[in-house]
Amino acid sequence: KAGVTQTPRYLIKTRGQQVTLSCSPISGHRSVSWYQQTPGQGLQFLFEYFSETQRNKGNFPGRFSGRQFSNSRSEMNVSTLELGDSALYLCASSFRAGDAGANVLTFGAGSRLTVL
Amino acid sequence: DAKTTQPTSMDCAEGRAANLPCNHSTISGNEYVYWYRQIHSQGPQYIIHGLKNNETNEMASLIITEDRKSSTLILPHATLRDTAVYYCIVRVFNAGGTSYGKLTFGQGTILTVHP
Repeated sequence: KAGVTQTPRYLIKTRGQQVTLSCSPISGHRSVSWYQQTPGQGLQFLFEYFSETQRNKGNFPGRFSGRQFSNSRSEMNVSTLELGDSALYLCASSFRAGDAGANVLTFGAGSRLTVL
Repeated sequence: DAKTTQPTSMDCAEGRAANLPCNHSTISGNEYVYWYRQIHSQGPQYIIHGLKNNETNEMASLIITEDRKSSTLILPHATLRDTAVYYCIVRVFNAGGTSYGKLTFGQGTILTVHP
């Protein structure tokens, strides 16, 4: 089956601009989580969406936002970009059920954002 | 979620077993041990998880000590493609809760497999 698809894979923006990243989860997966990875901070949790509702949020400023659609696809948006927002943004999906085995995250390949 | 400690880096010869340790001395009874790996420039990949029994799948084996304060991921016959950063993560399984999608990644262990 198809994996987690993230678009675009690479993008370059300038400071002050905004960016929208897209994530299509594995078919049947209803939970989508977003992570930011930088060389300095490593992998950090941004937020999680399930049934179109944000269920959990990491410690990021309000410039980082997201949403989930009825088909479980998700987008995240970063407004007023700063140089420090340059990172690999990863999306992960899971089935989100009452079984630890089903609580495994499948990650996409990521969207690499460069802010100039 | 409990904190984990892993060696910064390890080397392994191709074809030999790679044994990656993880210390999680503050683990509580309802916390699982998960292992993920990240090959350069790719998203993390799930490997295996366990609660207290040893586990094996097609990728690896997970050995958890009886007191559950440490574990070892074993790649039985390492190949060059196993060169990656390996993350040991301890997390609560929270049925019906809010933490399904949240993993707390440490710095992991950089495993380098040599020819």
